[in-house]
Parts: sequence; structure tokens; C-alpha cells
Amino acid sequence: AQSVAQPEDQVNVAEGNPLTVKCTYSVSGNPYLFWYVQYPNRGLQFLLKYITGDNLVKGSYGFEAEFNKSQTSFHLKKPSALVSDSALYFCAVRDHSGNTPLVFGKGTRLSVIA
Amino acid sequence: SQTIHQWPATLVQPVGSPLSLECTVEGTSNPNLYWYRQAAGRGLQLLFYSVGIGQISSEVPQNLSASRPQDRQFILSSKKLLLSDSGFYLCAWSEGLWDGYTFGSGTRLTVV
Repeated sequence: AQSVAQPEDQVNVAEGNPLTVKCTYSVSGNPYLFWYVQYPNRGLQFLLKYITGDNLVKGSYGFEAEFNKSQTSFHLKKPSALVSDSALYFCAVRDHSGNTPLVFGKGTRLSVIA
Repeated sequence: SQTIHQWPATLVQPVGSPLSLECTVEGTSNPNLYWYRQAAGRGLQLLFYSVGIGQISSEVPQNLSASRPQDRQFILSSKKLLLSDSGFYLCAWSEGLWDGYTFGSGTRLTVV
């Protein structure tokens, strides 16, 4: 069975500092990995995905994520945080084997302080 | 381009009343469709998903049901709501195995 862990419920960073939101996964075989962001009372918005190829994936709003197969991780990063990045972030995983739904982590609330 | 519509945006219903939430997708055919529930602004719980008309997979036993009467229409229903059915309900669609999901704007359901 596939699973995702987001070990931090909350991440606080100062505006202008780099940010990292952690994600580790467990699947049989190769993973499809995704990051989504959710603003209050809104649906989730797609940020980026890893399917295959380059381990460093660039996405929307200056975010990027690095796929690390040996550590089964897919951490979300941004070099310089903005107050407007404050939101709830979800990591999700699916395996390659079949048409199974995405499994989402519990979410990490990012707070960027001015 | 593809769009997803979900309504209503907010709903307050008494305990024991029925429920019907609707989700439609435009601009694509034979999408995979999903219903999620989000409690207390945190994790997502997959409720139902459908890979075609009349094909519904249920992930969690509960007071809810889903139907897909048309290719791009996905309905979440309940005959009698419980207080525990309160939450934020999200519909989503995807085109294929390698695709991520596109989410609707959600329905905030409060059962009183």
C-alpha cells in the first residue's frame, strides 16, 4: 500500500528566508509525486509533480522539489519565502502499477512571518 | 480548456436531512472523478472515486453514497445526515494515470 508522511504539522519561516516542507513516501515500485497548496476555504491547487527524469522539479510560484529515491523523500523548497506563501501544503503519491487514486499526506501549515 | 464546477459553496443542513452535492467537469471526456472530505482544515480523506459511468469505488464505509449518472457528472448524496458529516467536501478530476488532480472550489457543509 502506498503512503505519504509529512512529519511537520507547522513550519514557520521569516520572509526572505529559504523554506523547506518535508515529505517522505512509501510505494511499491516507482512513484508519481505531487505537491499541492490550499488557501483558506479553497480547493487544492497543483504546484508541481515528479514523474520521471531530472530529480529537481520546478513548479509554480518559484517552488521546487527534489526527488531523492534513496531517502524516499520529495521535499518542497523555495529560496526566498513570501508572506503570500502562507498556506496549507499537501504532498501526494501514486504508484505506477495501476489506476489507483492519489494518496495525500496530512498537510503542513506554512506560516511566513514578515 | 477544462473546468470543474462544484456547488453549492456552503450548505447548512439539519441532522437527518438529505444531501446532494454536485460536481461537473467541462472540456474533457471520460475523466476520473473523486470526492474527498477534509475535516478541521487538515488531511484529505478519499470518499469515492469513479473511472467511468456507473463505476463507483468506495474507500470508507459511511453515511454517504456517490453516483455518476453522466460521463462528466459526479454526485455525492446522503439520505440522512449526521453531525459527523460536517466538513469541507472537495471534488476533483484527472485525465490519466500520470496526471495530477484538478480540484473544485469545495463545499463547506455544516450539519446542525
